[in-house]
Amino acid sequence: SAVISQKPSRDICQRGTSLTIQCQVDSQVTMMFWYRQQPGQSLTLIATANQGSEATYESGFVIDKFPISRPNLTFSTLTVSNMSPEDSSIYLCSVEIYRHMNTEAFFGQGTRLTVV
Amino acid sequence: GENVEQHPSTLSVQEGDSAVIKCTYSDSASNYFPWYKQELGKGPQLIIDIRSNVGEKKDQRIAVTLNKTAKHFSLHITETQPEDSAVYFCAASHYNQGGKLIFGQGTELSVKP
Repeated sequence: SAVISQKPSRDICQRGTSLTIQCQVDSQVTMMFWYRQQPGQSLTLIATANQGSEATYESGFVIDKFPISRPNLTFSTLTVSNMSPEDSSIYLCSVEIYRHMNTEAFFGQGTRLTVV
Repeated sequence: GENVEQHPSTLSVQEGDSAVIKCTYSDSASNYFPWYKQELGKGPQLIIDIRSNVGEKKDQRIAVTLNKTAKHFSLHITETQPEDSAVYFCAASHYNQGGKLIFGQGTELSVKP
């Protein structure tokens, strides 16, 4: 597996502001992803963070709201822009690891965001 | 696109009993089915997975079964312990997209001592 560190672990932010979440992996990985977990809900894929090119967003998520950077194979950031209370969620970084001749996904501990 | 349904949403068992969580999926192209355990305040932890070329996989007290014809898969936990209490998520994806997952709604398992 991989050690995945997210910063911050939690934050309380004012509406209208932006927050950047960092994800650091202890080894080089090809694929990194960002998920959202709304309170008491399941996980939903926001986007695939592509190294050296623009992120690939899933339906319902746009770059202006969730800009993503992936400057190298061990690091990515997700920004939640112009926040509203509806953005209060846990944001999770995930990496895909090639193991046992297949790929598996591992998650960071998440960033718990509360927008007031 | 893929849709994953998970049941039950909550499950309470006595310590030592078995627990079964079931999931169905809609996309016949899906062939990778992992299960995650999420404890309070933590990220999901991969506990077991199964691919479409096998029907059953076991790891100590945990087993997963897959029925591709019926498009459903299940998690079985035997001899449950209080530390098994958590939220469990099933997921599905296509081969070689193990990180791009569609999740079920989750099952909150409570194991009573």
